[in-house]
Amino acid sequence: DTGVSQDPRHKITKRGQNVTFRCDPISEHNRLYWYRQTLGQGPEFLTYFQNEAQLEKSRLLSDRFSAERPKGSFSTLEIQRTEQGDSAMYLCASSFGSDRGAFFGQGTRLTVV
Amino acid sequence: DAKTTQPPSMDCAEGRAANLPCNHSTISGNEYVYWYRQIHSQGPQYIIHGLKNNETNEMASLIITEDRKSSTLILPHATLRDTAVYYCIVGRSGSARQLTFGSGTQLTVLP
Repeated sequence: DTGVSQDPRHKITKRGQNVTFRCDPISEHNRLYWYRQTLGQGPEFLTYFQNEAQLEKSRLLSDRFSAERPKGSFSTLEIQRTEQGDSAMYLCASSFGSDRGAFFGQGTRLTVV
Repeated sequence: DAKTTQPPSMDCAEGRAANLPCNHSTISGNEYVYWYRQIHSQGPQYIIHGLKNNETNEMASLIITEDRKSSTLILPHATLRDTAVYYCIVGRSGSARQLTFGSGTQLTVLP
């Protein structure tokens, strides 16, 4: 399967712990996006990379959230000192070019207990 | 980016065409109309997008009105697997491709 891959698919963590999620985009895609989706809502944009450059990060929810894409291929999203309100589905998407649709992964479902 | 308005839910009989409307009356000249769908517990799936002209691909057709203030996504022969939330999104060309998802339309295809 050459689609967008996310790992893990599910994560349960205790409040206050740090978590890191990984996204492997479609190989030829230069753009990578992170979204968050809470129950009953549409996905909410968080941040965006073009190759290794993070071009938009103002929508990251707080300074506890950070993302990297060090070599312009896979990306990681880290949440520090998790809170119960961080429980959500975290979606990664990738695209090639500015005018084409983005392809989403299956997401990582985070539960903070 | 312009906002969109969609009905919260629609039903369609299996085998019939599903016509999903979207209003985007504040769309500007360089904004595209994108459609995505999300089947329960999966990531959103890109369907189609267009600027002014009608578009068709293997999944669907997109009809955009001449004034570009509304559009319709057409699934020509709906199947049970088309049951999903359908999102109509308006976004600018060349900018960061963040997509602003609204609440979408829950399409239920009935046997």
